[in-house]
Amino acid sequence: EAQVTQNPRYLITVTGKKLTVTCSQNMNHEYMSWYRQDPGLGLRQIYYSMNVEVTDKGDVPEGYKVSRKEKRNFPLILESPSPNQTSLYFCASSWGDPTFSGNTIYFGEGSWLTVV
Amino acid sequence: GENVEQHPSTLSVQEGDSAVIKCTYSDSASNYFPWYKQELGKGPQLIIDIRSNVGEKKDQRIAVTLNKTAKHFSLHITETQPEDSAVYFCAVGEVRFGAGTRLTVKP
Repeated sequence: EAQVTQNPRYLITVTGKKLTVTCSQNMNHEYMSWYRQDPGLGLRQIYYSMNVEVTDKGDVPEGYKVSRKEKRNFPLILESPSPNQTSLYFCASSWGDPTFSGNTIYFGEGSWLTVV
Repeated sequence: GENVEQHPSTLSVQEGDSAVIKCTYSDSASNYFPWYKQELGKGPQLIIDIRSNVGEKKDQRIAVTLNKTAKHFSLHITETQPEDSAVYFCAVGEVRFGAGTRLTVKP
């Protein structure tokens, strides 16, 4: 079954404690990205990756890092989480750059992160 | 950057009625306009999309219309059913999302 898998799905952590949210896709997609979803703001892109070892900032990259060492994995790293990073996070993947070509994006089921 | 506005933020309709959600955008170069449905506890899922060379596209009870001159596009759901209740997002390309519309269909 084609899917994007994120872990953990739910996490409560404390300010400053480094954490990683993993993301894995089994569709051999080249393009992967991370979004955060906040009430009234929709989804905002944090980082994206066009292929292995290629990552770029999205609209709200501050406080986040990513890496793309393998095609299937795209972890999101919060080196020093702060309360304003409390949000619902989604990982997504598609065949190629979806910005103009319209490749369907597949989303994971989301990771609820609370930073206290 | 691209600005996407979505209205209304909440919409409540009676089962069987139609629902319309509208989005406006600012970048006239945009050429791909998808709509997503997000059910509770799940990630967004593509339900229909339209490209700039087409004015309307239908898929059973859902349709999307695009007015490139006015820079707006709309999602139309006819004969709504309770299972249509969800949050709907428009997007321009795949990186600019509207704020979402919570649709409630009352039985």
